[in-house]
Amino acid sequence: SQTIHQWPATLVQPVGSPLSLECTVEGTSNPNLYWYRQAAGRGLQLLFYSVGIGQISSEVPQNLSASRPQDRQFILSSKKLLLSDSGFYLCAWNSRSTPLHFGNGTRLTVT
Amino acid sequence: DAKTTQPPSMDCAEGRAANLPCNHSTISGNEYVYWYRQIHSQGPQYIIHGLKNNETNEMASLIITEDRKSSTLILPHATLRDTAVYYCIVRVHTGTASKLTFGTGTRLQVTL
Repeated sequence: SQTIHQWPATLVQPVGSPLSLECTVEGTSNPNLYWYRQAAGRGLQLLFYSVGIGQISSEVPQNLSASRPQDRQFILSSKKLLLSDSGFYLCAWNSRSTPLHFGNGTRLTVT
Repeated sequence: DAKTTQPPSMDCAEGRAANLPCNHSTISGNEYVYWYRQIHSQGPQYIIHGLKNNETNEMASLIITEDRKSSTLILPHATLRDTAVYYCIVRVHTGTASKLTFGTGTRLQVTL
């Protein structure tokens, strides 16, 4: 069966520091991968998605970037965090025959 | 993607059926209805999806009206663990990136 791993679960970072969140999927090949962000009490906002290695589409211009160095690895990064980057970050995957499935998320607090 | 409308909140007594409505009056013929739920501080969990026929799985039932302009998610015997935010989404089911857009959903509170 397929599983999705996302870490860390929680993170507190100072303003101006870099960020790297990692997501990996097991049990499938060539998945579509996604990064979402959820602000407190709000819906989910799609940030990036990828249909293959090295292919990244950005939905919202911002202080963040994404990379897909391997087929089942998706990384969310920032060179310098802003206070407004705080939120709940979710990685997700799907395929032609599988609905979207989410990881357990990373709660990021920028101080 | 077609826009969906859901009530912001609902209450349900434990053991009773929870019926969560969703309006999607602009749905296209090739768009599916998906339901997810999000328990506090966790990632959304897939529940069920359908095109035009009613669907049932181990978690819930999905009833889609004949004109497909609305649907209802039914949790037949709600428990306290079903307390969550429920999202109704419509989207073309393709193998390419789905780009599901989540709104604010319905907050279901199951009470004793």
